[in-house]
Amino acid sequence: EVQLVESGGGLVQPGGSLRLSCAASGFSLSSYWMDWVRQAPGKGLVWVSRMNSDETTTTYADSVKGRFTISRDNAKNTLHLQMNSLRGEDTAVYYCARSYFYGSGYGFDIWGQGTMVTVSS
Amino acid sequence: QSVLTQPPSASGTPGQRVIISCSGSISNTGRKTVTWYQQLPGTAPKLLIYSNSQRPSGVPDRFSGSKSGTSASLAISGLQSEDEADYYCAAWDDSLNGWVFGGGTKLTVL
Repeated sequence: EVQLVESGGGLVQPGGSLRLSCAASGFSLSSYWMDWVRQAPGKGLVWVSRMNSDETTTTYADSVKGRFTISRDNAKNTLHLQMNSLRGEDTAVYYCARSYFYGSGYGFDIWGQGTMVTVSS
Repeated sequence: QSVLTQPPSASGTPGQRVIISCSGSISNTGRKTVTWYQQLPGTAPKLLIYSNSQRPSGVPDRFSGSKSGTSASLAISGLQSEDEADYYCAAWDDSLNGWVFGGGTKLTVL
């Protein structure tokens, strides 16, 4: 079964760090672009970061640039999001999503269940 | 404030047809294809429409999408109670070099 399972969320103090993981099964991460999308409580979806299939290109939203780093462990088929210098506004459910190219455009066709990150003292 | 503009709410009765709009600019919906996602309460989003009007396998043909210029629309016909959810449009933005989403539309089936 093709699926993504996130882990690593939790409660962290402002200024702290957290590393999220997204374990993929049923497909190889090295064949797809992968993204992180977050959703603050009661709010809408916001794109955070992406990595291309061969790890040569990583892109970040301005709100997290310089603080978050997307990476991949090919041996474990797992995507990571290292989050440093966390702020209250980073509080959200974080989803990893597979970006599938349909020939004329991309779409996030597979989503994880999400992992909650709470930044609070 | 979201880059793409959607109405915050929409409603309809069972069997009706509802249309949700999504407005952007030349750098996103104008040049790039639009995708739509359905998020049922307490669950992860699900891809509903890609490339403006295409449905992934398994999505009922009651759902249809269209795009004209910098605006896109999601139409849901034969409204059912299980369609009650939040709906989001999204597109890549060439200027921001990232994905942008609409603020979401909460659909209520009366």
